Amino acid sequence: DTEVTQTPKHLVMGMTNKKSLKCEQHMGHRAMYWYKQKAKKPPELMFVYSYEKLSINESVPSRFSPECPNSSLLNLHLHALQPEDSALYLCASSQERFIQSSYNEQFFGPGTRLTVL
Amino acid sequence: AQKITQTQPGMFVQEKEAVTLDCTYDTSDPSYGLFWYKQPSSGEMIFLIYQGSYDQQNATEGRYSLNFQKARKSANLVISASQLGDSAMYFCAMRETGANNLFFGTGTRLTVIP
Repeated sequence: DTEVTQTPKHLVMGMTNKKSLKCEQHMGHRAMYWYKQKAKKPPELMFVYSYEKLSINESVPSRFSPECPNSSLLNLHLHALQPEDSALYLCASSQERFIQSSYNEQFFGPGTRLTVL
Repeated sequence: AQKITQTQPGMFVQEKEAVTLDCTYDTSDPSYGLFWYKQPSSGEMIFLIYQGSYDQQNATEGRYSLNFQKARKSANLVISASQLGDSAMYFCAMRETGANNLFFGTGTRLTVIP
């Protein structure tokens, strides 16, 4: 299984809602990532989990709250979002975050298209 | 300074022709990796090809090859025999050894014309 799955595929929410994005992989990867991608822009790293512990938070507002319940799952909890948070949210996984080789291919999921009204 | 530069916002290619997508990078780390990803309109980032900084030969994967010129710090993607399904956004990315993440370029939108 070389797939990263993400649910839901599309999400529309109001600014007062609470919702969660889910990501799952069964490749035995120990690093998982959340990216945010605005239209016509490259992905921007939000969070990195390594061995189920948060290792990187790229100054993301607290209205985004990541969670890694186990090595296969990664959630992103959303609360009180703003319309400018509308974007494609991509999850990725890789074998290890720190390795001697520069090769550390990240496998991406299909993304969740989020619209905040 | 930008770590990855893609100077072609859009490219057109005739079906069955070859096309080169440009990518230059900037790093002082002697050990790094370069990646190309394809992103169709569906959104998924699809890994295409990888080149390590110490690799002696240019990477190839099917119709994809990477023209790696280390002294010029360029890693151009060559797609041979273009197909309509190659129409997508293409991102060049770099990972420095021990770094936390991939640095992405701004992307090139490729359109294959029948």
